[in-house]
Amino acid sequence: DQQVKQNSPSLSVQEGRISILNCDYTNSMFDYFLWYKKYPAEGPTFLISISSIKDKNEDGRFTVFLNKSAKHLSLHIVPSQPGDSAVYFCAASVMRNQGGKLIFGQGTELSVKP
Amino acid sequence: DTGVSQDPRHKITKRGQNVTFRCDPISEHNRLYWYRQTLGQGPEFLTYFQNEAQLEKSRLLSDRFSAERPKGSFSTLEIQRTEQGDSAMYLCASSLRSGTGGREQYFGPGTRLTVT
Repeated sequence: DQQVKQNSPSLSVQEGRISILNCDYTNSMFDYFLWYKKYPAEGPTFLISISSIKDKNEDGRFTVFLNKSAKHLSLHIVPSQPGDSAVYFCAASVMRNQGGKLIFGQGTELSVKP
Repeated sequence: DTGVSQDPRHKITKRGQNVTFRCDPISEHNRLYWYRQTLGQGPEFLTYFQNEAQLEKSRLLSDRFSAERPKGSFSTLEIQRTEQGDSAMYLCASSLRSGTGGREQYFGPGTRLTVT
């Protein structure tokens, strides 16, 4: 079963506009969520994370929002830049009493056009 | 550069052969993870170590797969009698788990395995 889902395989945005990437999860035990960015032929690069006790975390152009009741999180990139073009993965983990393995979504390919 | 490194970056092997991959984590990190990624999917958890102890293995890790982290530093992942279905990107990640911190995992560049 897919515990973490990214239902949009791709997203195209104009440079300077906002990119919104979405992620849904089913396991209410998840208590930590992360976003990774991946370029071809490279490993995922950590972007931003959020604990389940928060509903928002911001780091520069990147903001992650968590809606626990809807089991939904989103990543906002403002303003979007061509260098942001990559595949974005959301991931979730249970840290309390487990090893913190990450469960990933399928990814959303973001294309930012100049 | 003090990031996670993996070797080799690419491996082509014939079905039935054994292969071994190496991962060197960030030096002070006590946790090391292996994941596998196939085309169009996110990485899938295989196994993880805390120091030298292997604490969890996914059911994806068949008995043909074995991983070690002998001195709590680098790790190896061996696949015996490779099958075409083993073709994937094998990713290693590390983290420094202490108290409430160290939840972020930092990934290496991966080893691309092709089984012909």
